[in-house]
Amino acid sequence: SAVISQKPSRDICQRGTSLTIQCQVDSQVTMMFWYRQQPGQSLTLIATANQGSEATYESGFVIDKFPISRPNLTFSTLTVSNMSPEDSSIYLCSVEDGGSSSYNEQFFGPGTRLTVL
Amino acid sequence: GQSLEQPSEVTAVEGAIVQINCTYQTSGFYGLSWYQQHDGGAPTFLSYNALDGLEETGRFSSFLSRSDSYGYLLLQELQMKDSASYFCAVRDGDSGYALNFGKGTSLLVTP
Repeated sequence: SAVISQKPSRDICQRGTSLTIQCQVDSQVTMMFWYRQQPGQSLTLIATANQGSEATYESGFVIDKFPISRPNLTFSTLTVSNMSPEDSSIYLCSVEDGGSSSYNEQFFGPGTRLTVL
Repeated sequence: GQSLEQPSEVTAVEGAIVQINCTYQTSGFYGLSWYQQHDGGAPTFLSYNALDGLEETGRFSSFLSRSDSYGYLLLQELQMKDSASYFCAVRDGDSGYALNFGKGTSLLVTP
């Protein structure tokens, strides 16, 4: 199974600033996903990031607000730009491990808890 | 589009059996998955059904009926540590097969 780390684990930021979240995987993976989860709520997909191509964003999420980089098969970043209190949430990266016994299993990082004041 | 419906909360007694239902609507079906998430933790994979029937993994089982667009997660011999949120999820073929999650069911196991 893939092991995923995220940095930072949590942060408190001021309105109008930006934060870049890093996601590191211990193996090469094709598909990486970024989700947002507000406390007590479900996970909402922000975008899908494939190495070597532009990220694909879901409805309601735009590249200017959530730019994503995917420079190689083990790493990705998500930036939350020009933050407002509504961006306070947990941000999780996820990968699909093609080497796992179950094709359809996704692994999640521990999440980044963001609070915007 | 896709939508998934599951109960918001379930309470059960330690040692009991609980069933969490999930109904879904999706334009393309690539299987139904279940994830568990403890407070403050990351979601972890529990089970996956691509075909009709029951899949058993220890105390947890998952069932799928594609004709009814329905599935359930069955938890047996409940333990206090099973208190968590449980999400059903389907794959979205339009989003690189990323998971689309239901709203989650908060399970509380009481002594």
